[in-house]
Amino acid sequence: GESVGLHLPTLSVQEGDNSIINCAYSNSASDYFIWYKQESGKGPQFIIDIRSNMDKRQGQRVTVLLNKTVKHLSLQIAATQPGDSAVYFCAENMSAGGFKTIFGAGTRLFVKA
Amino acid sequence: DAGVTQSPTHLIKTRGQHVTLRCSPISGHKSVSWYQQVLGQGPQFIFQYYEKEERGRGNFPDRFSARQFPNYSSELNVNALLLGDSALYLCASSFRDEGSGYTFGSGTRLTVV
Repeated sequence: GESVGLHLPTLSVQEGDNSIINCAYSNSASDYFIWYKQESGKGPQFIIDIRSNMDKRQGQRVTVLLNKTVKHLSLQIAATQPGDSAVYFCAENMSAGGFKTIFGAGTRLFVKA
Repeated sequence: DAGVTQSPTHLIKTRGQHVTLRCSPISGHKSVSWYQQVLGQGPQFIFQYYEKEERGRGNFPDRFSARQFPNYSSELNVNALLLGDSALYLCASSFRDEGSGYTFGSGTRLTVV
């Protein structure tokens, strides 16, 4: 399949360590923020989302933090595994004035066994 | 249950031609969105449809159009193809027309020569 994210920022972590992937978003009117994982040859896969009125949400091994003051979003992955290696995108959804989704540039995560 | 299915998976077209890409959403999903993903970049939002109505449009020229059928499947049409239209075209579906929770298909790889 095709390769995604050839020239993206890269984060390399050791298996078992925690990973933190950061994202700056653009629109203070966004309603939802979502993290996606994309493996080569596949479409983006939903990981976790957070509404704009929250600042933290936890899932299984993942936590999303939202800082609206500085328009910053982060994804924390606990006990990173080789299967977590992929390109990660943050996205913001806004519905005011018509639905729109904006994806960030993406970060490639490498997990070393 | 089948996920989001897109056809064809790969396509080669000549400059100036037109193309129709197809998407079948997950059963019960009423919202469909289309994205363009150029190699090395995040997906760019093109359209969103809900209950056969256009609910959102990204910054794409009028050569791009779409529609949603009564069975909630969707088509993306691109006229007067340019070399720069070469990309992975992704379709995503959701039960709702807001928020997140979109499931992506694996995309159609379009190459314009």
